[in-house]
Amino acid sequence: EAGVAQSPRYKIIEKRQSVAFWCNPISGHATLYWYQQILGQGPKLLIQFQNNGVVDDSQLPKDRFSAERLKGVDSTLKIQPAKLEDSAVYLCASRTITGFYNEQFFGPGTRLTVL
Amino acid sequence: GENVEQHPSTLSVQEGDSAVIKCTYSDSASNYFPWYKQELGKGPQLIIDIRSNVGEKKDQRIAVTLNKTAKHFSLHITETQPEDSAVYFCAAITGTASKLTFGTGTRLQVTL
Repeated sequence: EAGVAQSPRYKIIEKRQSVAFWCNPISGHATLYWYQQILGQGPKLLIQFQNNGVVDDSQLPKDRFSAERLKGVDSTLKIQPAKLEDSAVYLCASRTITGFYNEQFFGPGTRLTVL
Repeated sequence: GENVEQHPSTLSVQEGDSAVIKCTYSDSASNYFPWYKQELGKGPQLIIDIRSNVGEKKDQRIAVTLNKTAKHFSLHITETQPEDSAVYFCAAITGTASKLTFGTGTRLQVTL
């Protein structure tokens, strides 16, 4: 079974530039998450989708971050404009919709460096 | 919201020794506690989990214990091996939203 795919793996941009990350979840997984992992910290949830609807975006900085999941499969996370403090690894995860205790499967992440 | 604290931040053990990582949570409504292992350049991977109606769970060399009264849970790794070297995260889920709140991580180094 293929895992969660993310691209690009690395991105370096100047502050105030824009950047986009792409995630392809495991086939059949209805729930998709984006996490931000700052160096030395645990992942922090940014947004959760169920199919193509947003379940939780309470910690998404909506003035600069946006995310979409068209057709309930792939998802894109965008930052516009980027700030220095956005430097982090952005992780995508997915899980099946059935059952409460189902494992979240994580992708390898995109490491963003904002200069 | 939920807050999860994790200790220690770094842990160095010799191969064959045991390692223990401890976490506390704040929300008494939390009912599921997974542990993740993250290797360099990879995403976190689930290694073991425990539900709130269970006090202990074991899977080969790893075990997790949960004390609901004290709101803390621990990961125990016995007979450590060099491939156990990684960052370990505890996490908690509250209610039915499946939202994970992670601890700050423990970097485990197993030396020969």
